[in-house]
Amino acid sequence: LAKTTQPISMDSYEGQEVNITCSHNNIATNDYITWYQQFPSQGPRFIIQGYKTKVTNEVASLFIPADRKSSTLSLPRVSLSDTAVYYCLVGPQTGTASKLTFGTGTRLQVTL
Amino acid sequence: GAGVSQTPSNKVTEKGKYVELRCDPISGHTALYWYRQSLGQGPEFLIYFQGTGAADDSGLPNDRFFAVRPEGSVSTLKIQRTERGDSAVYLCASSLLATNEQFFGPGTRLTVL
Repeated sequence: LAKTTQPISMDSYEGQEVNITCSHNNIATNDYITWYQQFPSQGPRFIIQGYKTKVTNEVASLFIPADRKSSTLSLPRVSLSDTAVYYCLVGPQTGTASKLTFGTGTRLQVTL
Repeated sequence: GAGVSQTPSNKVTEKGKYVELRCDPISGHTALYWYRQSLGQGPEFLIYFQGTGAADDSGLPNDRFFAVRPEGSVSTLKIQRTERGDSAVYLCASSLLATNEQFFGPGTRLTVL
């Protein structure tokens, strides 16, 4: 499975836009890019998934350049409740290879 | 509730004892996954079930770990002769089919003294 690299931690003020970039130089043709969010003492929660270009949902946007060697999770106008660890994962979307491979994630701290 | 549930939420045991951790997936989800998360790390894959069968158990660390899903719904992770290094949060996830959009439970925190 492709290895991912993302910042260990980020700080932001409430109301700002936060962009977390993930590098995945060895992404395979059939790999998708998936982001999960994890609050303390909870299991991870699926945020967004994409294959190329841009994907947007009610929570976040995911930007993927044409070469797909990196991706950026964008959180608009963060609040204190967005303080969490964010994981970037790459891998096949379905099938027996759908087990998730997590790295150490990016710890986002949002303050007033 | 509609989510994945896990019991117990916390389990404290002594080195050498046997433990069972239970996972109730979302109704109708055929795929079920177990992960283990150590402090400060991301979850680590253990085993994946498609229906009743273990489709991928490559993440089980050794033969002390075993999991079952006899009726294709509830799953039990079993750990024999527990060691202090087994202390972690054990997470269960399910999905409608085998996809990387998985729904996680709150986990069971296992502490081996």
